[in-house]
Amino acid sequence: AQSVTQLGSHVSVSEGALVLLRCNYSSSVPPYLFWYVQYPNQGLQLLLKYTSAATLVKGINGFEAEFKKSETSFHLTKPSAHMSDAAEYFCAVSGGNDMRFGAGTRLTVKP
Amino acid sequence: GAVVSQHPSRVICKSGTSVKIECRSLDFQATTMFWYRQFPKKSLMLMATSNEGSKATYEQGVEKDKFLINHASLTLSTLTVTSAHPEDSSFYICSAGRTGQTYEQYFGPGTRLTVT
Repeated sequence: AQSVTQLGSHVSVSEGALVLLRCNYSSSVPPYLFWYVQYPNQGLQLLLKYTSAATLVKGINGFEAEFKKSETSFHLTKPSAHMSDAAEYFCAVSGGNDMRFGAGTRLTVKP
Repeated sequence: GAVVSQHPSRVICKSGTSVKIECRSLDFQATTMFWYRQFPKKSLMLMATSNEGSKATYEQGVEKDKFLINHASLTLSTLTVTSAHPEDSSFYICSAGRTGQTYEQYFGPGTRLTVT
């Protein structure tokens, strides 16, 4: 069975500041890990994914995440927040047959 | 590649009627498709997994007679909400997995259902 926990339902940063969204996973098999972004009334957009290759994964819009097996974490970062990054972010884990989502983190970017 | 569409994008129906939502994989074949429900300001909840040509597998607590799923081809799955009630109002999202590659899902844009 797989599950993810996103620490912090709401994160607020200033424009230009570092963005850090936390995700810890639990999986009985080697996991595939994903970060998605969702804007209001829209579907999910894939930001990046870990599929057992490089542990540091670069995604779209300047986001990246590092897979740390020892910490069972897959935190999402971006060096400098932009106003357009304000959205809901979901971490997800797949063990091969289905996908489980975290509760989501709402990112607010202050001018 | 890996585009998934949903139709309609939003629908309003009267209580007691049924509504069908289509999910299509446009440029790949999908043996497995998934249906999720999302409540306001909440995460996605998996409702069911459908495999082409066989019965869908429903998650615990999801009424299979209320949410009818059909996956008749490798590019189309449908979700029919039968005898809809206001509490069925929600955002429904489908996803599809490529045949032979099940660890990643490609998501549709979602369908907003409002039952009056």
